[in-house]
Amino acid sequence: EDQVTQSPEALRLQEGESSSLNCSYTVSGLRGLFWYRQDPGKGPEFLFTLYSAGEEKEKERLKATLTKKESFLHITAPKPEDSATYLCAAGRGGSEKLVFGKGTKLTVNP
Amino acid sequence: DTGVSQDPRHKITKRGQNVTFRCDPISEHNRLYWYRQTLGQGPEFLTYFQNEAQLEKSRLLSDRFSAERPKGSFSTLEIQRTEQGDSAMYLCASSPGNTIYFGEGSWLTVV
Repeated sequence: EDQVTQSPEALRLQEGESSSLNCSYTVSGLRGLFWYRQDPGKGPEFLFTLYSAGEEKEKERLKATLTKKESFLHITAPKPEDSATYLCAAGRGGSEKLVFGKGTKLTVNP
Repeated sequence: DTGVSQDPRHKITKRGQNVTFRCDPISEHNRLYWYRQTLGQGPEFLTYFQNEAQLEKSRLLSDRFSAERPKGSFSTLEIQRTEQGDSAMYLCASSPGNTIYFGEGSWLTVV
């Protein structure tokens, strides 16, 4: 069965303290690995799609990378406004379904 | 705002009542999805439409749940005979291809 596991469940950082979030997946025939940001009470906001191992994408202070078994979301010099839950999801070929992890709740203190 | 629109945003209903949620996707997106999310969990896939055709359904979608997308535009998700376990946020999303864009969700509380 397809599975996505995110770690840590929660992460507290000081402003400017860089770190990484992990997403491990077991999906046969990966068609895409997706990262979303979700603020409390809101729907997920799309960040990145990664399609193949070795691919990297960047947006402001965020950088997503992909290997054959994991994806990382690197946060460089985070600011308090980066506080949110970050969700990882994997899709397999032949299906439109995305399997989500439980998310990592990031808190950035000023 | 041209994002995915969901209505109502919040619904409180008594156990056993029927509820219906509406979703208006981003214009020209032919793919539409419904997901359910409970506190502390990631979204769970419920169903997928391409235009008006319902092409994928999760085992989570019991007989009490029905979704439609007449004419391939807006979609409705109806839950019949609601149970307390149905309390969750129901998320609609649309896509022109591979990237899925979510709406703000419809919160359901069953009392």
